[in-house]
Amino acid sequence: ETGVTQSPTHLIKTRGQQVTLRCSSQSGHNTVSWYQQALGQGPQFIFQYYREEENGRGNFPPRFSGLQFPNYSSELNVNALELDDSALYLCASSSGAGVGKLFFGSGTQLSVL
Amino acid sequence: AQSVAQPEDQVNVAEGNPLTVKCTYSVSGNPYLFWYVQYPNRGLQFLLKYITGDNLVKGSYGFEAEFNKSQTSFHLKKPSALVSDSALYFCAVRDEGGYNKLIFGAGTRLAVHP
Repeated sequence: ETGVTQSPTHLIKTRGQQVTLRCSSQSGHNTVSWYQQALGQGPQFIFQYYREEENGRGNFPPRFSGLQFPNYSSELNVNALELDDSALYLCASSSGAGVGKLFFGSGTQLSVL
Repeated sequence: AQSVAQPEDQVNVAEGNPLTVKCTYSVSGNPYLFWYVQYPNRGLQFLLKYITGDNLVKGSYGFEAEFNKSQTSFHLKKPSALVSDSALYFCAVRDEGGYNKLIFGAGTRLAVHP
């Protein structure tokens, strides 16, 4: 177990709706990143937060947004859901010392109908 | 742009035999390379990384990987496969942007048969 927890585990939404996914980081980690893993593909980087500020973003539109809170937990918000947003969303936490060593949660499986 | 390629969708190995999962990379500078494993209904777990130093990197669960700069490869290996090693394996390279963004390959499914 990594100590990173995500909720909910599964979610079903319809096109056009909005969704919020939550992540609790491993104790002592001040950085959280979010990845989208479509079926049969590797995870794709959405964005990263360090000490409550976004400090890196992948090729995702602005309707994907996030927050990091003072306790380093995080939210991923997706507005105006599209069918292609159906995927496993993974949260990963890390500390400044562990270059590339990410601790992943089990993910939220989002289905958009 | 950086990229990672995993040429095999699936690798089949008999238990007790050595296994290799292949990965090649493309970066403009020195690569930071990683292997992660994903078990069903679980997130990814870190196996090992190469940043600098010895080309043979040892990691978790008896896995190791060999960095080959001339062939731009970072193949994952294990001397004796276990049925419990059956899972999805991802190779990744760290983005040159400087933060902890990883670029993952498409993954290779390893099936170890008894």
